[in-house]
Amino acid sequence: GAGVSQSPSNKVTEKGKDVELRCDPISGHTALYWYRQSLGQGLEFLIYFQGNSAPDKSGLPSDRFSAERTGGSVSTLTIQRTQQEDSAVYLCASSWGLAGYNEQFFGPGTRLTVL
Amino acid sequence: AQKVTQAQTEISVVEKEDVTLDCVYETRDTTYYLFWYKQPPSGELVFLIRRNSFDEQNEISGRYSWNFQKSTSSFNFTITASQVVDSAVYFCALSEERWGGANSKLTFGKGITLSVRP
Repeated sequence: GAGVSQSPSNKVTEKGKDVELRCDPISGHTALYWYRQSLGQGLEFLIYFQGNSAPDKSGLPSDRFSAERTGGSVSTLTIQRTQQEDSAVYLCASSWGLAGYNEQFFGPGTRLTVL
Repeated sequence: AQKVTQAQTEISVVEKEDVTLDCVYETRDTTYYLFWYKQPPSGELVFLIRRNSFDEQNEISGRYSWNFQKSTSSFNFTITASQVVDSAVYFCALSEERWGGANSKLTFGKGITLSVRP
């Protein structure tokens, strides 16, 4: 079956602009996660969604970052007023449930470059 | 707070050599899960293995084997007879599960870049 898909694969933007990154999880997966991978910080958790529960936003680095998940499926990560330090690969993952033993399946990522 | 340490940053071996990738973790929970992921040059993270905190049995899958030791908080990964296709970045990760609610966000180590030369 289809895996996690993300779009766009690459995004170049100017400092100060807003960007939206999209994630389509594996069909039937109830949990969805966003991570960020950068050279300096490695792989960092940003946010996760589980069903209709309130999302865990504890990893978002600033209030310029927000995410939503519509209809329990597709998710959009929005970064407002982008800064150069936001340049990174943004990875989305999904899993069957929120339990810790469920492996997360990752998408190919969106490489964001802020000029 | 949970933490995963992969002290090795880069390893280079010649094909057919055995190589062990180290992973040390910290957690206050009694129930937790450990994972290894592979990130080949294409960039997509690939799940390799999951181990829960109550199962210290070592596992072997083909050329891959994992050694989980709670006494030393380590979950090491060995590739036997390495191949060029094993060249990738390997991440160890930890997920905790708390009483009264699950919490499965992953805490990753910094990753180990493995290069296997022909």
